[in-house]
Amino acid sequence: ETGVTQSPTHLIKTRGQQVTLRCSSQSGHNTVSWYQQALGQGPQFIFQYYREEENGRGNFPPRFSGLQFPNYSSELNVNALELDDSALYLCASSLMGQETQYFGPGTRLLVL
Amino acid sequence: EDQVTQSPEALRLQEGESSSLNCSYTVSGLRGLFWYRQDPGKGPEFLFTLYSAGEEKEKERLKATLTKKESFLHITAPKPEDSATYLCAVQAGSGTASKLTFGTGTRLQVTL
Repeated sequence: ETGVTQSPTHLIKTRGQQVTLRCSSQSGHNTVSWYQQALGQGPQFIFQYYREEENGRGNFPPRFSGLQFPNYSSELNVNALELDDSALYLCASSLMGQETQYFGPGTRLLVL
Repeated sequence: EDQVTQSPEALRLQEGESSSLNCSYTVSGLRGLFWYRQDPGKGPEFLFTLYSAGEEKEKERLKATLTKKESFLHITAPKPEDSATYLCAVQAGSGTASKLTFGTGTRLQVTL
């Protein structure tokens, strides 16, 4: 069974740039959620995708957007990067109807 | 709004010294309470899901319990490899979206 994978592991961007983070779901899972984790904090829910549609969103501005593909992999896109976007971005996959989410290793984003 | 509070923020134990971590929550319609372990710079690793008051689950030196207002993670005779941040999260409400609301975690250090 393949777990959740994310790429890249680390990324450095400058303010105003755009970034795309990628996630491959665990085998058999059809739902993907994205979280932002600032240093010393718990993860915060950004949004969830199911059947290639956004299926719930947290308190994040529209410059945070996502995609889910037919193979259940996913992308998180962030436009107009701000310094406060520096964080660990986590992807979690699950099977719709089952609550437990399994997390990937994360992408560490640093915005300068 | 769902709220999760974890205590203590940090805990230092000697090897073999048992203790408990606390997770207090306020939600409307609990669907599940989750415990994760997170090592520095890595994604959360799933430990337990609890669904209803009175439920208990065990895994090696860890035991999780749930009441209507809080959950405890009991660590029996911990070893240095149990050192990590332990995160509690809740999932609540109806609908298909399965957003997790996390606490800020308890940083556990186990020394020889």
